[in-house]
Amino acid sequence: RKEVEQDPGPFNVPEGATVAFNCTYSNSASQSFFWYRQDCRKEPKLLMSVYSSGNEDGRFTAQLNRASQYISLLIRDSKLSDSATYLCVVSHYGGSQGNLIFGKGTKLSVKP
Amino acid sequence: NAGVTQTPKFQVLKTGQSMTLQCAQDMNHEYMSWYRQDPGMGLRLIHYSVGAGITDQGEVPNGYNVSRSTTEDFPLRLLSAAPSQTSVYFCASSYSGGDQPQHFGDGTRLSIL
Repeated sequence: RKEVEQDPGPFNVPEGATVAFNCTYSNSASQSFFWYRQDCRKEPKLLMSVYSSGNEDGRFTAQLNRASQYISLLIRDSKLSDSATYLCVVSHYGGSQGNLIFGKGTKLSVKP
Repeated sequence: NAGVTQTPKFQVLKTGQSMTLQCAQDMNHEYMSWYRQDPGMGLRLIHYSVGAGITDQGEVPNGYNVSRSTTEDFPLRLLSAAPSQTSVYFCASSYSGGDQPQHFGDGTRLSIL
């Protein structure tokens, strides 16, 4: 089983749609969870951290289910500018020895 | 602040050549790391450093060396370039550890012929 698995995509949605991305991770000792966004030929950029209680940032909602080892990202009212690849990221250990494990990403294309 | 700066942005090498990818950050971050990104593979950790003078191997360290003589700089050296090292390389840093959100440089696109 891969360490971090994501929906393969691509997701092609119209403007205004709601889209959900799912991610599972294999290491139950994982400590930190993030969603990154990567535009074509650019560097990954942090979209949001994911907390156990779930968290929201504007149109974006992230949820974590530790029991099922599952992370989700919900984007409401999609914009053309949301088109990008979304990376699910998990850390194995805490503190200075923690390292991030990246999923392969799910590509989102928002159409007019 | 410049953040994380990588040079060069593009490079073409011949098999067997050596080179150094430069990475510098001006945020006084203790943790720095190098990733490579290949199509269909996602980002994979090459080497990382938790502070000046301390480095360690990541998932794919073979063929690469690093050093961390200062907090600001974390160069990645290719000892003898191979076509399999053709990739996009990203340097990243964070204030305190690898389990924290990482700030990425804008990448170096490297082609080995």
